Amino acid sequence: NAGVTQTPKFQVLKTGQSMTLQCAQDMNHNSMYWYRQDPGMGLRLIYYSASEGTTDKGEVPNGYNVSRLNKREFSLRLESAAPSQTSVYFCASSGRGPGELFFGEGSRLTVL
Amino acid sequence: GNSVTQMEGPVTLSEEAFLTINCTYTATGYPSLFWYVQYPGEGLQLLLKATKADDKGSNKGFEATYRKETTSFHLEKGSVQVSDSAVYFCALPTSGGSYIPTFGRGTSLIVHP
Repeated sequence: NAGVTQTPKFQVLKTGQSMTLQCAQDMNHNSMYWYRQDPGMGLRLIYYSASEGTTDKGEVPNGYNVSRLNKREFSLRLESAAPSQTSVYFCASSGRGPGELFFGEGSRLTVL
Repeated sequence: GNSVTQMEGPVTLSEEAFLTINCTYTATGYPSLFWYVQYPGEGLQLLLKATKADDKGSNKGFEATYRKETTSFHLEKGSVQVSDSAVYFCALPTSGGSYIPTFGRGTSLIVHP
């Protein structure tokens, strides 16, 4: 039972490069989320998808795009990476009830 | 919207000491309350939850009681272990009926042998 799987786990980019973080869940959850975690800032919501076919902005959406490819998969794309996007990114899903999330192990991104 | 405030860390304890991490909330109504734990190098995982006032959530020796009189949900453990070293997050739904949680800033716990 894999839960929430994120790839890649580590990535180094140069400023201006693009990349996509992949996320997949096998729990048949409707809702999926992308967070970033920075020291002293806690967790900040980037985008979320309440159900297949819908996406909405969170607290810090600028510089990111998302795609809810199907019920299982929710990807996060950086079109032109900036050093300010250096962070640890977490994908999560929910389906049991309000506030109860299941997280992936994280993707550590460094932008030089 | 709803919000939580939790004590800043780090909290540094010796093994077998008693742990309290404070969390207070502001909310409309009586939403479910959660504690999440993040072990080094891992994602967050749900530690415990309480769904209504006076409920006590418990898991792995940790407990938290939903107290509406003091709008608090403090996390406690009677005897911590080195393996409990982690960051702990208090959380609640952003608003009534929302599935999106609002997280506190996190409290780092360091337990020494």
